[in-house]
Amino acid sequence: KNQVEQSPQSLIILEGKNCTLQCNYTVSPFSNLRWYKQDTGRGPVSLTIMTFSENTKSNGRYTATLDADTKQSSLHITASQLSDSASYICVVSLGTFGNEKLTFGTGTRLTIIP
Amino acid sequence: SAVISQKPSRDICQRGTSLTIQCQVDSQVTMMFWYRQQPGQSLTLIATANQGSEATYESGFVIDKFPISRPNLTFSTLTVSNMSPEDSSIYLCSVGDRGNLKGGYTFGSGTRLTVV
Repeated sequence: KNQVEQSPQSLIILEGKNCTLQCNYTVSPFSNLRWYKQDTGRGPVSLTIMTFSENTKSNGRYTATLDADTKQSSLHITASQLSDSASYICVVSLGTFGNEKLTFGTGTRLTIIP
Repeated sequence: SAVISQKPSRDICQRGTSLTIQCQVDSQVTMMFWYRQQPGQSLTLIATANQGSEATYESGFVIDKFPISRPNLTFSTLTVSNMSPEDSSIYLCSVGDRGNLKGGYTFGSGTRLTVV
């Protein structure tokens, strides 16, 4: 069964610190890996998308990495801000846009404290 | 990227009743999906809403329980029928959005449903 597992389940850090969230997956083969941010009471918002051949993708203070050999991805957040408090969801997909099968992780709940 | 308006944002309903959730997109989209997000769980695809034809349901979801309409390329509804407390969840509309260069799929804000 294709699975996407994220760790840690929750994380609390001080404002201004960096953190790294992990995503391990068994979806194979896969086409794309996405990271989404979901604020409480809101829908997920996409941060990055990587194909299986990409190693890293940045979006401002967010940097995603991918190791397709070990089936691992990470999301690194630099100089965290209070607005970074949210759930971060890793999504692995198989297929081409328009005909993709998406498998969602359960997310990491990140809390930034002042 | 596309902008999605989903209504209602939340509701508390009596068991045995039905709730219809609306999803309005500001542009025409081919792909529209409905998801369920139960507390502490990952997003689960309920069905793909097909314009002009019956929705395509995922394993474990049936039309009688979750009827879906898609009258045009900008609008869809999901009905949660004969509700029980187990249906308490967040329901999300999503569209395939080529304008969304960071992911390709845009989500609505969700409908938080509580069944009592």
